[in-house]
Amino acid sequence: EAGVAQSPRYKIIEKRQSVAFWCNPISGHATLYWYQQILGQGPKLLIQFQNNGVVDDSQLPKDRFSAERLKGVDSTLKIQPAKLEDSAVYLCASSLSVTRNEAFFGQGTRLTVV
Amino acid sequence: KQEVTQIPAALSVPEGENLVLNCSFTDSAIYNLQWFRQDPGKGLTSLLLIQSSQREQTSGRLNASLDKSSGRSTLYIAASQPGDSATYLCAVRAPGNQFYFGTGTSLTVIP
Repeated sequence: EAGVAQSPRYKIIEKRQSVAFWCNPISGHATLYWYQQILGQGPKLLIQFQNNGVVDDSQLPKDRFSAERLKGVDSTLKIQPAKLEDSAVYLCASSLSVTRNEAFFGQGTRLTVV
Repeated sequence: KQEVTQIPAALSVPEGENLVLNCSFTDSAIYNLQWFRQDPGKGLTSLLLIQSSQREQTSGRLNASLDKSSGRSTLYIAASQPGDSATYLCAVRAPGNQFYFGTGTSLTVIP
């Protein structure tokens, strides 16, 4: 079974530039999550999708971050404009829709803003 | 709001030793608890999933327990190996299908 795919693996940008991350969840997984993990901290939820609808985006900085999930499958997370404090690993995860199932994570995208 | 705490933040043990990692959470209304391993620069690998109705789960040298009423889980690693060196994260799944993560325990197993 293929896992959660993310790209790119690494990205370095200057502050005020824009960046986009892509995630392809495990086939058939209705729930998709984007997490931000700052060095030394646990992952923090940015946004949760159920199919192509947003379930929770309460911690997403909406003035600069946006996310969409096309046709309930792939998802993109965008930052525009980036700030230094956005430097982190961005993790995508997916799970079956029911709450008792495991979540599976991708390898993450490490973003460095300089 | 659910808060998840992991103690200790870092642990260093000699190879072969048995060890216990701790995870505590403030709200017992959870669906399940999942333990993950994270290697430097990598994503999270799922180790064990314990449903709220279960008391423990085992996989190889790993055993995870859950006491929902007291808001605690432990991850027991038997006969530790240098390859076990990584950061271990626990996460609880709350109503609404959200995951709340702890800050992790960084484990170093010394050969």
